[in-house]
Amino acid sequence: DVKVTQSSRYLVKRTGEKVFLECVQDMDHENMFWYRQDPGLGLRLIYFSYDVKMKEKGDIPEGYSVSREKKERFSLILESASTNQTSMYLCASSLGQGANFEKLFFGSGTQLSVL
Amino acid sequence: AQSVTQLDSQVPVFEEAPVELRCNYSSSVSVYLFWYVQYPNQGLQLLLKYLSGSTLVKGINGFEAEFNKSQTSFHLRKPSVHISDTAEYFCAVHKAAGNKLTFGGGTRVLVKP
Repeated sequence: DVKVTQSSRYLVKRTGEKVFLECVQDMDHENMFWYRQDPGLGLRLIYFSYDVKMKEKGDIPEGYSVSREKKERFSLILESASTNQTSMYLCASSLGQGANFEKLFFGSGTQLSVL
Repeated sequence: AQSVTQLDSQVPVFEEAPVELRCNYSSSVSVYLFWYVQYPNQGLQLLLKYLSGSTLVKGINGFEAEFNKSQTSFHLRKPSVHISDTAEYFCAVHKAAGNKLTFGGGTRVLVKP
């Protein structure tokens, strides 16, 4: 089975801190994604990546950046955390293009609280 | 731009009763359609998908969904639910020529004994 691992289940940070959320997948998937999940809003795409060192903005990239130095690892960075970034963050990966692209495998999520 | 609307934020249902979760989308181009399920304290997993062909799609755990192009809908159904179906369900849309999924706001299903 594909495994997508997020480094922390719960994280508490202070306003203004730099925050790193890490995600690792073990199935050699080309595509990786970062979503945030908020009640009533569903999942909103922050950034995604098709390949190493490649990244594209999603629907809500403001206040975030990403890094993909290795194929299996995709990091989400909050340069200066703010309270409105308190949310559940979900990482996902998928294989290639075409019909396989849409089958996303998700991690269990990181619940980030910014105080 | 495409959007996905899940009309019910919460659906309480008794065990062994049928359930239908509604999903409507707006898009001017061909789309692929998906339902994902999120069990408590877990990530999302794919329940079923429609890419082309038969408009009635069967998924895992006894769920099925029907694509209705004229009504731009993709409603999810199960004829008899179990306690273990308690979860949040997300409808998602992908433009056929696009590169990302757009999710609806989710529907929480609470199955009562």
